[in-house]
Order: sequence, then structure tokens, then C-alpha cells
Amino acid sequence: SAVISQKPSRDICQRGTSLTIQCQVDSQVTMMFWYRQQPGQSLTLIATANQGSEATYESGFVIDKFPISRPNLTFSTLTVSNMSPEDSSIYLCSVREWTEAFFGQGTRLTVV
Amino acid sequence: GNSVTQMEGPVTLSEEAFLTINCTYTATGYPSLFWYVQYPGEGLQLLLKATKADDKGSNKGFEATYRKETTSFHLEKGSVQVSDSAVYFCALSDQGDSGGYQKVTFGTGTKLQVIP
Repeated sequence: SAVISQKPSRDICQRGTSLTIQCQVDSQVTMMFWYRQQPGQSLTLIATANQGSEATYESGFVIDKFPISRPNLTFSTLTVSNMSPEDSSIYLCSVREWTEAFFGQGTRLTVV
Repeated sequence: GNSVTQMEGPVTLSEEAFLTINCTYTATGYPSLFWYVQYPGEGLQLLLKATKADDKGSNKGFEATYRKETTSFHLEKGSVQVSDSAVYFCALSDQGDSGGYQKVTFGTGTKLQVIP
């Protein structure tokens, strides 16, 4: 099973600033997924990141707000740009092995 | 499209009580079904899974049976402990037409609180 390291684990940020979240996997994977979990809610897929190509964003999410990098098969970053209090959430990185999804421990972001 | 519906929480039980968290799904293909658990302050962990009809997934005393006829995957445990307090997510994963895998679809989560 894949082991995913995500950092930072939490941060408190000022509105208008940006935060970059890093996700490192202990094995090479084709696709990496970024999710958002707003307080008390389920997971919402933000985008799918493939190595060597632009990320594919879900409805309601745009590249300018959530730029993603995928420089190699074990690493990805998600940036939350121009933050507002509505961006306060847990952000989770995920990979798939066959049908099973594995998750990082999440980044708990609070925007003040 | 695919969807997962699970019972709303929070669910509060006394220690050693029986637990059922209902989950039903809608899918166009033959999905794999999962229960994930999220302990306070942590990410999601896979609790159990079932990949075809009538399969029973089990782990840590939890069980769930893939019921295709009722499109359900209810989570059960015979005797809950305080340490089981967490949020439980039902989820499905379906194989895409291209042979790849679609995104995982999650239910809204059910918060379980077990009191001594």
C-alpha cells in the first residue's frame, strides 16, 4: 500500500496570501488526486494531476485559484491562491492502487 | 452518475452497543465499495472494502456486505468501543469506459461518538 506524506499538516494564513501544500508518495503513481474537505462535510475532488500534463479540474475549481504542479511520478503540489476565510478546509492528497484510494494525513488550513 | 447516500449523524452509542451505519449507492457499472474512517485530526484510512456482489469486507470487528440487489453496503460492528469514535465514510470506485478508473465517490460521512 502507498504511503503518502503531506505537509504542512496545518497552517493559519492571512487572507489574500497563498499556501503551497506538498504531497510525496513512496512509490511511482500515474495519477494523484487533490481533495478538499470543508468543515463537517465530505470530500470534494478538486483536480487530478498527471505527470507531464496539466491537471484536470472538477467543476467549480479553476487553475488560477488552485494551481497544481506534478514534476515527477512521486510528488505534487497544490497551491491555494489569494485565500479567503471560505478556503478554510482540510486539503487531502490521494493516490490510487487498483480500485483502492490512499490518503495523506491532510493539511488543515485556517484563513483569518 | 455515481452517488453514495449514507445515514446522517451524529450517532451516539454507549460502549459495547451494536452499530449499524447505512449506506446505499447508485452506479452505472460494477463498483468496488469501501468504508473509510477518519479519526479526529487525521486523514482518511481504509477500514474495509468489497469488490464484487456478496463479498464481505471485515476489519477491526467491523463488517459490511456488498448487496447488489439492494445496492447497499451497511457498516456493522457488534460491540463498539470508545476508540471507535470517528467519522465514517462510505465510498465507491467504478472502472471507467477506457479501462482506467474514475474518481472515488464519497458519501457525506457519519460521525460516531461512543461514550463510556
